[in-house]
Amino acid sequence: GNSVTQMEGPVTLSEEAFLTINCTYTATGYPSLFWYVQYPGEGLQLLLKATKADDKGSNKGFEATYRKETTSFHLEKGSVQVSDSAVYFCALSDDSGGYQKVTFGTGTKLQVIP
Amino acid sequence: NAGVTQTPKFQVLKTGQSMTLQCAQDMNHEYMSWYRQDPGMGLRLIHYSVGAGITDQGEVPNGYNVSRSTTEDFPLRLLSAAPSQTSVYFCASSEVPTYNSPLHFGNGTRLTVT
Repeated sequence: GNSVTQMEGPVTLSEEAFLTINCTYTATGYPSLFWYVQYPGEGLQLLLKATKADDKGSNKGFEATYRKETTSFHLEKGSVQVSDSAVYFCALSDDSGGYQKVTFGTGTKLQVIP
Repeated sequence: NAGVTQTPKFQVLKTGQSMTLQCAQDMNHEYMSWYRQDPGMGLRLIHYSVGAGITDQGEVPNGYNVSRSTTEDFPLRLLSAAPSQTSVYFCASSEVPTYNSPLHFGNGTRLTVT
């Protein structure tokens, strides 16, 4: 079956530091890949996505590239802010059986300190 | 635009009690789903629906029932609550076809079963 593996957290960074959160996946076929972000007390919201190999998703300064050869979708940001403190989930979606089957990673908590 | 609305935000039940978690969306999405979020386990799919009158089981359906009488509403019923059902529950919806469509989440219901 499909699976998503994320780096363990929590990750603590100083403001303006470079961020990388690793994500690797196992899937049959050609899934779409997503990063979701969850702020305290809220539901998940889409941060970015990529639907085919070598696509780069980007939003709010975050980027991730769909690497089929390494089955990875690492999240990066060049300069984090305190407001980026949240839990980040990597996810994949395929169309097995004709419906959306989404597999989530366990989440990585990011804390940015001033 | 309200998006996905879940009620209640918090609920405490005694073992054996029943209750219904409400979910409504105003985006005319055909696909709706329920997830539970537990520490260290990411999100796990409970039930999903690809349209009014159509529901199916996800990864962890035992102890839960759903129905989909309208496009907008997708309630989740706990028939006889157990402590193992203590969790945060999220409702999510998306457009169809669902393969490349991101999920839109509600803000969750935090359930405690004593």
